Amino acid sequence: RKEVEQDPGPFNVPEGATVAFNCTYSNSASQSFFWYRQDCRKEPKLLMSVYSSGNEDGRFTAQLNRASQYISLLIRDSKLSDSATYLCVALGMAGTASKLTFGTGTRLQVTL
Amino acid sequence: DADVTQTPRNRITKTGKRIMLECSQTKGHDRMYWYRQDPGLGLRLIYYSFDVKDINKGEISDGYSVSRQAQAKFSLSLESAIPNQTALYFCATSDPNYREGNTQYFGPGTRLTVL
Repeated sequence: RKEVEQDPGPFNVPEGATVAFNCTYSNSASQSFFWYRQDCRKEPKLLMSVYSSGNEDGRFTAQLNRASQYISLLIRDSKLSDSATYLCVALGMAGTASKLTFGTGTRLQVTL
Repeated sequence: DADVTQTPRNRITKTGKRIMLECSQTKGHDRMYWYRQDPGLGLRLIYYSFDVKDINKGEISDGYSVSRQAQAKFSLSLESAIPNQTALYFCATSDPNYREGNTQYFGPGTRLTVL
């Protein structure tokens, strides 16, 4: 089982729709979580951190459910420019060093 | 100018050749990383360095070596390239002193093809 699992998609949604992605993680000791955005053939960029209480940044809302070990990302009022792959990332420990584990990503395609 | 740069951006080479990928950063970060990305496998850590004198293996270091020439430079070498090292390679930096200290800042990537 992968440490961080995501539905690869693609999720095809019309402009203006609300779309949600889930991500599950297997290491219950994971400390922090993040969502990165990666455009086609480009580098990943941090979209937002995921806080225990949930957090919102404009049209984006991230939630963490430690009991069920999943993270979610909700995008409201989707824009064409939201089309990208969204990577779920968990921070844990590998020995004494922290370790980031990346999911394989969920692809979103927003259409007219 | 980009904060994290990688050279070359694209490279095609043959099996058995030695290849070096270079990474430079102007962010002043101490921590630097090399990842590879393969379809269906996500980003995997090859090596990381927390300062000039510190080099650590990641989860897939076999077949690779690194050199941290300066705070700003971290290079990845494939001593004898093989086809399954064909991938997209990313360099990244982070700064533990920043509030979001685990944020990774990625370079634009190097697409390597080994024939």
